[in-house]
Amino acid sequence: DAGVIQSPRHEVTEMGQEVTLRCKPISGHDYLFWYRQTMMRGLELLIYFNNNVPIDDSGMPEDRFSAKMPNASFSTLKIQPSEPRDSAVYFCASSLAPLGQPQHFGDGTRLSIL
Amino acid sequence: DAKTTQPNSMESNEEEPVHLPCNHSTISGTDYIHWYRQLPSQGPEYVIHGLTSNVNNRMASLAIAEDRKSSTLILHRATLRDAAVYYCIRRHGAGSYQLTFGKGTKLSVIP
Repeated sequence: DAGVIQSPRHEVTEMGQEVTLRCKPISGHDYLFWYRQTMMRGLELLIYFNNNVPIDDSGMPEDRFSAKMPNASFSTLKIQPSEPRDSAVYFCASSLAPLGQPQHFGDGTRLSIL
Repeated sequence: DAKTTQPNSMESNEEEPVHLPCNHSTISGTDYIHWYRQLPSQGPEYVIHGLTSNVNNRMASLAIAEDRKSSTLILHRATLRDAAVYYCIRRHGAGSYQLTFGKGTKLSVIP
């Protein structure tokens, strides 16, 4: 079975540019999560969705970040405008509904803002 | 915030058992203990979780202390592929889907 698929795997862009990260969750999963990982702050939850509806976006760092889930099989995380401090690995994860269910992570997008 | 305490790093010889400790002294009655691991250049991977009693699966065993203030992840026979950062996470049972990752324990496996 296909796991969580993220694209692109690597992104290098210049400061000020718009960046769009994409995620396809595991089919049938009700929850989708976006995380960011840096050396300084570790893994942080940015936002999560249930049935395509954002539930908690308290981890989104600022208004430059936005996330959408237009349907059950696709989500985007957008940064506009991007800044060097946004450089990190961004992970998407999905899970089934019951609370104890594990989260399944993608391999991440390594983002470098020059 | 869901706090756990783990050693920064541990070493194990290949094919020997590994016991990874975790302290969660302020745990509440409905909090689950989840373990994830992260191999280099990959996303975190679920390992095991439990509430009160010990748990086993194909990857590992989880031993939870009777007072639930600590737990131990047991890898019965370490392989080189088990070299990873292991995260112990206290997950609130009362409706929160959030996983709060700490710094974890970096496990090195020596051939």
